[in-house]
Amino acid sequence: AQRVTQPEKLLSVFKGAPVELKCNYSYSGSPELFWYVQYSRQRLQLLLRHISRESIKGFTADLNKGETSFHLKKPFAQEEDSAMYYCALRTRDDKIIFGKGTRLHILP
Amino acid sequence: DSGVTQTPKHLITATGQRVTLRCSPRSGDLSVYWYQQSLDQGLQFLIQYYNGEERAKGNILERFSAQQFPDLHSELNLSSLELGDSALYFCASSRGGRADYNEQFFGPGTRLTVL
Repeated sequence: AQRVTQPEKLLSVFKGAPVELKCNYSYSGSPELFWYVQYSRQRLQLLLRHISRESIKGFTADLNKGETSFHLKKPFAQEEDSAMYYCALRTRDDKIIFGKGTRLHILP
Repeated sequence: DSGVTQTPKHLITATGQRVTLRCSPRSGDLSVYWYQQSLDQGLQFLIQYYNGEERAKGNILERFSAQQFPDLHSELNLSSLELGDSALYFCASSRGGRADYNEQFFGPGTRLTVL
């Protein structure tokens, strides 16, 4: 079955501490994975994609095919990182499967 | 606003009714995607249109249908509405047909409440 799992509904982290938002996927093929973010009162927007191997706003995510994971990481959390984060997978036939999301709350 | 627009913002209707949600993509975008977000199911991909033609289908019920018009705006039709159809419906658009090469830009959503 094709599935994206984000095990944490809510993650609270102190400002300056490292952040790791977990994402695991189930897909029989080469996955294409993304992280989307929704800040308060803003629209859902793309944060990063695994093919680009880029760092956006200090966040990185590495695809681990062995562990079927695509965890989102940032070494030092900032207050403006508080938002809802969604992991998503694009299938071979162009369907997009989203995880249920993790709310990241940065504590001052 | 040159971004994705959706109308109406809110819609309240009764079970058994039919509603139409409208989406206008960003200028120059050829693809439109529809998503349903509910508390228990999260964000679910419904359907994608590219330049007027259906491109990919997700978990879209048979009671739901969509189309993309020559001016590239899209409509999502929901019929025989049930209480469980209450959700936030998002539209997104992108330049081309493949989501990975073309970033999706999301609209503000239409909140549908079925009473």
